[in-house]
Amino acid sequence: DADVTQTPRNRITKTGKRIMLECSQTKGHDRMYWYRQDPGLGLRLIYYSFDVKDINKGEISDGYSVSRQAQAKFSLSLESAIPNQTALYFCATGHRDYPYNEQFFGPGTRLTVL
Amino acid sequence: GEDVEQSLFLSVREGDSSVINCTYTDSSSTYLYWYKQEPGAGLQLLTYIFSNMDMKQDQRLTVLLNKKDKHLSLRIADTQTGDSAIYFCAESIGGATNKLIFGTGTLLAVQP
Repeated sequence: DADVTQTPRNRITKTGKRIMLECSQTKGHDRMYWYRQDPGLGLRLIYYSFDVKDINKGEISDGYSVSRQAQAKFSLSLESAIPNQTALYFCATGHRDYPYNEQFFGPGTRLTVL
Repeated sequence: GEDVEQSLFLSVREGDSSVINCTYTDSSSTYLYWYKQEPGAGLQLLTYIFSNMDMKQDQRLTVLLNKKDKHLSLRIADTQTGDSAIYFCAESIGGATNKLIFGTGTLLAVQP
């Protein structure tokens, strides 16, 4: 079983629709992250959370919101999707006690906004 | 500002060595990393180096860090077709915040 799971794996939607991407983890980690990957741009941080009550904006948070429903669940929402949000989205986890700050990634969600 | 740069593509023949390069800008980075992304999958940590080290070797992998030039490289010896993937350099910034800044990724294509 995968430690970090993302649903859905693929999604096609239309401009203006509200979309939610979900991430769950069984690693017992306190920290969770959402990134987007675009060709030629690498991964960019959207939001991160250090525990259920701690949510922080990353470098590209405009147009996105998140919810940390439990330590194991971190959801990313696009309130009104637009075509330039078409990308590959990754959830990642980490733990404050890890000495070298390793992050563990889910398999990704490919989102297409038409 | 924070910026991590890599070349986009590298092609090598099976059995040759591959060298993937990366430059970064934040001199306060504590750790630097190499992540590997295989087709259709998420990223997996390949190796990392602490900022007070110059070199780290792990089986076929050698990481070199030049702090003066803010240059990081990953050498893969005896490259195999299974090494074909995208390789991301990343730096850890902000101390306890555990934020990673990723490079653009280098696609390594291994020709049989």
